[in-house]
Amino acid sequence: DAGVTQSPTHLIKTRGQHVTLRCSPISGHKSVSWYQQVLGQGPQFIFQYYEKEERGRGNFPDRFSARQFPNYSSELNVNALLLGDSALYLCASSWDRGQPQHFGDGTRLSIL
Amino acid sequence: QKEVEQNSGPLSVPEGAIASLNCTYSDRGSQSFFWYRQYSGKSPELIMSIYSNGDKEDGRFTAQLNKASQYVSLLIRDSQPSDSATYLCAVTYSGGGADGLTFGKGTHLIIQP
Repeated sequence: DAGVTQSPTHLIKTRGQHVTLRCSPISGHKSVSWYQQVLGQGPQFIFQYYEKEERGRGNFPDRFSARQFPNYSSELNVNALLLGDSALYLCASSWDRGQPQHFGDGTRLSIL
Repeated sequence: QKEVEQNSGPLSVPEGAIASLNCTYSDRGSQSFFWYRQYSGKSPELIMSIYSNGDKEDGRFTAQLNKASQYVSLLIRDSQPSDSATYLCAVTYSGGGADGLTFGKGTHLIIQP
């Protein structure tokens, strides 16, 4: 079975632009979470969606938004990009609350 | 502020020895505990999950949980050079509907051949 897939793998943007990152969960998983990981730190929780509804969000500004589609895939959108948004963006899926989350390979976003 | 603390290392262990990784967490409401392994430039890979006090063994890995002390550990027996990586401790909390993981900064483990 395919694992969590994310696209694109790498992305280069300039300040002020917006970006959309995509994620397809493991088949059968209904929960998708997004994380941001900067170098030398553990991943930080951004959003969680379950059954197409936002279940929770971390301490990120409103420039960050997300949604989940009927097929359980998800998008993360970031507007008005800042240099500090440069990071590895990780998507993780699980079949239910409290169950282990499995990560995709991530999207490496660089802001120039 | 919910926090997960890990010694960042590096922790250097001879090949074949036992590597011991430790983690403490701040919220007593925590319910689920996970260890992830992350190779340089790669994404985290789940290696252990533990939900109740005591030990849980899976191959060369043993996770230990002590909720009274708010302490989680990971033991790696017969350490191999391929175990060299950053090990992330992650915790989920019971409050609210979300179970987003809270991670420590990770412990960098080096297995010396």
